Amino acid sequence: ELKVEQNPLFLSMQEGKNYTIYCNYSTTSDRLYWYRQDPGKSLESLFVLLSNGAVKQEGRLMASLDTKARLSTLHITAAVHDLSATYFCAVDPYSGGGADGLTFGKGTHLIIQP
Amino acid sequence: DTGVSQDPRHKITKRGQNVTFRCDPISEHNRLYWYRQTLGQGPEFLTYFQNEAQLEKSRLLSDRFSAERPKGSFSTLEIQRTEQGDSAMYLCASRAQQGRGYTFGSGTRLTVV
Repeated sequence: ELKVEQNPLFLSMQEGKNYTIYCNYSTTSDRLYWYRQDPGKSLESLFVLLSNGAVKQEGRLMASLDTKARLSTLHITAAVHDLSATYFCAVDPYSGGGADGLTFGKGTHLIIQP
Repeated sequence: DTGVSQDPRHKITKRGQNVTFRCDPISEHNRLYWYRQTLGQGPEFLTYFQNEAQLEKSRLLSDRFSAERPKGSFSTLEIQRTEQGDSAMYLCASRAQQGRGYTFGSGTRLTVV
């Protein structure tokens, strides 16, 4: 059974600081997704990482994927209050075959304080 | 293209009643997925369709849950004899094929009283 673990689960940080959220998963996969969720809302796609070594950046967020270590990171640079949200990583079990449907981590609840 | 649409947005029902939710995927997406999200947790995969074929349903939470996609377009998720533990956000997602990104709908929030 595929397991996805995120840490930390809760993070309170100050504006202007940098931090990294980690996502570990338990089985071979080369497809990993990061989503943002605001309270009471649905999921907003942030990044789709489709190969080992993939790195994507959008504004103050950067995501990377190391399939050998089964690890993805979401790095926040110079955080601003608007980035306060819950961030999920999700792993697609598809890798040349097999079951479909994402397995999500529990999410990282991020609060950025002025 | 207006994205993935879910209806209703909110549903309050009494315990023991049946409820049905609808999802309209992006029109050119042949794969459709249902997830459940409880408070403070990540979404949990329930089932998915490729066109009208339901290819995975072992993850449905109990035999009270069923899903259909009769013409390969919209899908419905039904919960029979609802229980308080069924209270959650039910999310639908679609994508064009394996290996491509998922688009999520706004969800249906179910409250069982």
